Amino acid sequence: NAGVTQTPKFRVLKTGQSMTLLCAQDMNHEYMYWYRQDPGMGLRLIHYSVGEGTTAKGEVPDGYNVSRLKKQNFLLGLESAAPSQTSVYFCASSLDSHGELFFGEGSRLTVL
Amino acid sequence: GEDVEQSLFLSVREGDSSVINCTYTDSSSTYLYWYKQEPGAGLQLLTYIFSNMDMKQDQRLTVLLNKKDKHLSLRIADTQTGDSAIYFCAEGPYGIGGHNKLIFGAGTRLAVHP
Repeated sequence: NAGVTQTPKFRVLKTGQSMTLLCAQDMNHEYMYWYRQDPGMGLRLIHYSVGEGTTAKGEVPDGYNVSRLKKQNFLLGLESAAPSQTSVYFCASSLDSHGELFFGEGSRLTVL
Repeated sequence: GEDVEQSLFLSVREGDSSVINCTYTDSSSTYLYWYKQEPGAGLQLLTYIFSNMDMKQDQRLTVLLNKKDKHLSLRIADTQTGDSAIYFCAEGPYGIGGHNKLIFGAGTRLAVHP
């Protein structure tokens, strides 16, 4: 049982490049989330999804887009990367609105 | 708005007790959580407490909640080197329809030394 899997785990981008982070979960969870983790700050919610085909903005959505075409996958896209987006990105999922969050191992992104 | 604060670093000797503290601002949260992040890994739920409880004990872990002071603490008895990690306090869930949005603190790095 893999749980929540994120790819890639590491990536270096130049300013202005685009990329997509993939999150996959095999627990049949309805809810999925993308967070970013920065030094000295708590995790901040970027976007989330409450089911297949739905997405919504979190606390810090600017510069990111997401898609949930399949229930098990939640994609996070950066159309034009900026140095301020250098961070560790975590995907999480939960069964319902009050359930435990299950996190992936994180994706470290550096934008030069 | 909601805010969660915790000290960033704690160092303890192996075998001693560790106490990690957290303060929060919003008293309407339903649950308060402790998540643990080991090096190179994602966060894992360690324990949680319902907001109408004062204390919860789970083996070596004791969670204390002081609602009046909006203070949450996690005590780890007989701390071991395997307890070295970052511990995040979180409160919630919030959001329209309860989408399980949690407010996380910045995390407390616990270092256990011999």
